[in-house]
Amino acid sequence: DTAVSQTPKYLVTQMGNDKSIKCEQNLGHDTMYWYKQDSKKFLKIMFSYNNKELIINETVPNRFSPKSPDKAHLNLHINSLELGDSAVYFCASSQDGTGAHYSPLHFGNGTRLTVT
Amino acid sequence: AQSVTQLGSHVSVSEGALVLLRCNYSSSVPPYLFWYVQYPNQGLQLLLKYTTGATLVKGINGFEAEFKKSETSFHLTKPSAHMSDAAEYFCAVSDPNDYKLSFGAGTTVTVRA
Repeated sequence: DTAVSQTPKYLVTQMGNDKSIKCEQNLGHDTMYWYKQDSKKFLKIMFSYNNKELIINETVPNRFSPKSPDKAHLNLHINSLELGDSAVYFCASSQDGTGAHYSPLHFGNGTRLTVT
Repeated sequence: AQSVTQLGSHVSVSEGALVLLRCNYSSSVPPYLFWYVQYPNQGLQLLLKYTTGATLVKGINGFEAEFKKSETSFHLTKPSAHMSDAAEYFCAVSDPNDYKLSFGAGTTVTVRA
């Protein structure tokens, strides 16, 4: 049973295209996240949703738009892709209901995005 | 706001030797502290966490970490390295009053036979 699953695993596309990454968790968690991991493995939070409500929105270009149709799903849509968007994008979830960050994160296996 | 510093981006140990990964943090309030491990082509998984209580925390795969408030540290150790410990290790800190989890830059562990 996959706890946090994201698709696709690999995404190769050209500059200027629009793409989406999907994420689903079957853990019953209240909070979901998108993280970006760059080529130096540095992890940076992008967005967080708690029960479909946006609670963290870091300084991310507005070409990136998260959507949470229900608390088990958090998708990431990226418009007008740029070379600098190449990275591994991780979806994660946690039990936190209040946003107090003491529950561990459960990560998906990542989506490696390559923009050419 | 909190921050995390992992000393040493790369650690190489012999199989059977001690693994020591260093993590220091800065936080205006007593933080929650975590160590995560990332194996190649996988997501991160929790090794251990400290929230309150006993300062020596045991995790999975024989790892443990000690919270030292006076030193603002949360170093990770394992007495005897195994080949399967080769991975990327991330220290993370959370301010209980904040929604955010801040990660360190990671330490790559390689294990020599």
